[in-house]
Amino acid sequence: ETGVTQTPRHLVMGMTNKKSLKCEQHLGHNAMYWYKQSAKKPLELMFVYNFKEQTENNSVPSRFSPECPNSSHLFLHLHTLQPEDSALYLCASSQDAGALGWTGELFFGEGSRLTVL
Amino acid sequence: GDSVTQMEGPVTLSEEAFLTINCTYTATGYPSLFWYVQYPGEGLQLLLKATKADDKGSNKGFEATYRKETTSFHLEKGSVQVSDSAVYFCGYFGNEKLTFGTGTRLTIIP
Repeated sequence: ETGVTQTPRHLVMGMTNKKSLKCEQHLGHNAMYWYKQSAKKPLELMFVYNFKEQTENNSVPSRFSPECPNSSHLFLHLHTLQPEDSALYLCASSQDAGALGWTGELFFGEGSRLTVL
Repeated sequence: GDSVTQMEGPVTLSEEAFLTINCTYTATGYPSLFWYVQYPGEGLQLLLKATKADDKGSNKGFEATYRKETTSFHLEKGSVQVSDSAVYFCGYFGNEKLTFGTGTRLTIIP
C-alpha cells in the first residue's frame, strides 16, 4: 500500500468513447503527476500539478485532459483516443514539486492499464 | 536535452548471480539520481538514491554510486534472489522534474 490509489486498474475503450482515470493520494502531498508507461520507451511525464495548479504539460495531445480539483485527487479524462495510446498510466504524488530541498522522490500508484480498440 | 540511458533488457540471471544494470545520464548541473523498482502488477517504488557526487545509495542489498566523472549510476547486487525479478528504472531529478529511462526487466531463475 503506497498511499496512492488508482481506478480503474484495467480499462478497455473504443476510439469514440469518453472515459476517465482517477487517482487519489492519502499522503498529504501537494504535487500530483500523470506518467505514461509504454513498452521499450522511457517513462513519459505527461502532467504535473502543484497545489492544484498545472505546472507541466509535456506536449500531450488534447485528447488527454487532466483535472485536479484538490491536492488529493487527480483525473485524466480520455476522449477519441488512438490505439497507440494503449499503455499503463501511472499516477504519482510528492511533496511540493520544485520546493527547495525536495530531492525528487515520488510515490506511485499501481497504474491503470488502458487498451484502446 | 537531458536524458537517461540505461541498459536494455531483458536480463535473465540465475539465483545468487552478480547483477549490474548500467545507467548513464546527460544533464546540466548536479542532479539527484535514483533507482526505482516496479514489481509485477505494482507501481514504481523508490529503491535507492544519491544526491551528490561520490554518494553511494543502498537498499535491500542493492548499491549504486554517483559517478560525476563518468555521469553514471550503475545498479549492482552481489547475489540476486528470485524475489528481485522486476523492472528497474534509472532516473534523475533536475530542472524540477524527475526523468526516467526505459526500464530494464530483470528475471531471476531458481
